[in-house]
Amino acid sequence: DIQLTQSPSFLSASVGDRVTITCRASQGISRYLVWYQQKPGKAPKVLIDAASTLQSGVPSRFSGSGSGTEFTLTISSLQPEDSATYYCQQRNSYPVTFGGGTKVEIK
Amino acid sequence: EVQLVESGGGLVQPGGSLRLSCAASGFTFSSYWMTWVRQAPGKGLEWVANIKQDGTEIHYVDSVKGRFTISRDNAKNSLFLQMNSLGVGDTAVYYCARLQCRGGGSCYSTFDYWGPGTLVTVSS
Repeated sequence: DIQLTQSPSFLSASVGDRVTITCRASQGISRYLVWYQQKPGKAPKVLIDAASTLQSGVPSRFSGSGSGTEFTLTISSLQPEDSATYYCQQRNSYPVTFGGGTKVEIK
Repeated sequence: EVQLVESGGGLVQPGGSLRLSCAASGFTFSSYWMTWVRQAPGKGLEWVANIKQDGTEIHYVDSVKGRFTISRDNAKNSLFLQMNSLGVGDTAVYYCARLQCRGGGSCYSTFDYWGPGTLVTVSS
C-alpha cells in the first residue's frame, strides 16, 4: 500500500500569510494526487486534482505542485475561511489512501 | 444540483450488522463509479470501497474485505454498504461520494461530491 505522510500535522498562521503543506508518498505516484479541505462537522471538499488542477469554484489562492513522491499545497494569502483540515489522497493505485491531515489554524 | 444523502447509521453491538444506503440525485447515477469513505471520531479519512457504474468491478480496503459488501441499484439511484461482523474499529462517520468522470466514461478516484455522512457506532 502507498503511504502518504503530511507535514506539518498542525500549523498556525496569520491572515495574509503564505502557507505550504507537504505530502510525501512512499513510492512514486506520478501526478495522481488529490487535495481536500474539511471543516469541522462537514464532508471533505475537493480542492485540487492531478497534483495541480484547481477544481471549479476553488479560489485561486490555492495551488498545488509536485510529482513522483513529493507534493505541496500552497495557500498564497491565508483567509479566515481557510481554517480547516487538509488531506492529500493518492489515486495511483488501490487501495486508495489518504494522508493523516494538516490542521490549519488562524492566529 | 448533485445531492448524496446517507442513511442507516446507528448504534450496533460488536459482531452485529448494519446496512447503509446513499440516495443520489441531480446527476445520471448509472454513469458514475461510487465510493464509501469513513472517518473515525477525531481521526483522518479512510477509503473503504469503490464500485463501477454497472457493479461489475469492485475494490475494498483490506480491513473490510470479507465483512463489507458494496452494491448499487441504478434503477433506484442508490448505493449501499452491507457491513457484517462489525467491530469497535468500524466506528466512524461513513460518507458516500461520487468519483469524478471525464468524457467517455473514464472515471478515477477523485471524489468530487460527498454526502453529509452517517454515524455508525459499534459498542456494547
